[in-house]
Amino acid sequence: QSALTQPASVSGSPGQSITISCTGTSSDVGGYKFVSWYQQHPATAPKLLIYDVSDRPSGVSNRFSGSKSGNTASLTISGLQPEDEADYYCSFYTSTRVMFGGGTKLTVL
Amino acid sequence: EVQLVESGGGLVQRGGSLRLSCVASGFTFSSHAMNWVRQAPGEGLEWVSAISAGGGLTLYGDSVQGRFTISRDNSRNTLYLQMDSLRAEDTAIYYCAKVFRLGDTPFDHWGQGTLVTVSS
Repeated sequence: QSALTQPASVSGSPGQSITISCTGTSSDVGGYKFVSWYQQHPATAPKLLIYDVSDRPSGVSNRFSGSKSGNTASLTISGLQPEDEADYYCSFYTSTRVMFGGGTKLTVL
Repeated sequence: EVQLVESGGGLVQRGGSLRLSCVASGFTFSSHAMNWVRQAPGEGLEWVSAISAGGGLTLYGDSVQGRFTISRDNSRNTLYLQMDSLRAEDTAIYYCAKVFRLGDTPFDHWGQGTLVTVSS
């Protein structure tokens, strides 16, 4: 059982927007800005999409955005594209501990 | 270009040992903390271990504490994970991952992973 809770799956049609939630506690997600999101396509390594709740690394599309409310962080993907079909993981990190969510499979219909 | 290349995975019997390596290039290896993250077949990500840039500070996840040892050789730009007393539940792809910055940090680059299979 993962420390951070994500829905097992979400789906959307091309062009639509979807949101994936990541729920923790006030001791992790709710208490810090240190939440990140990773995208993982089958048989490939994870790719950093979002860090510090809402910042994007250089080169990541602005269709990906992050936010947080209370103990729940969210990843929103706008203008869904077929290549967005992948697994998405949230993560909470500090200098002494790292936790991942269980992952959410995004299906683009 | 940052590159992380893992090796050393394979099939090992329960109770056995294995040492993984991760050779880094494209950045100043000695200036960055490094981590190991694993992923069991069909499952999610699990953080395994971290080591500071100089190697003096190490951290471990609860499931591997006391069995795994992380180390690094900055002269060889190489990260290691010594895995002892292996269990079936250690079967996974093991990724090495580079930190994004000092302090509280996500992982901005990952290797392609190396598969460890523990037979029972």
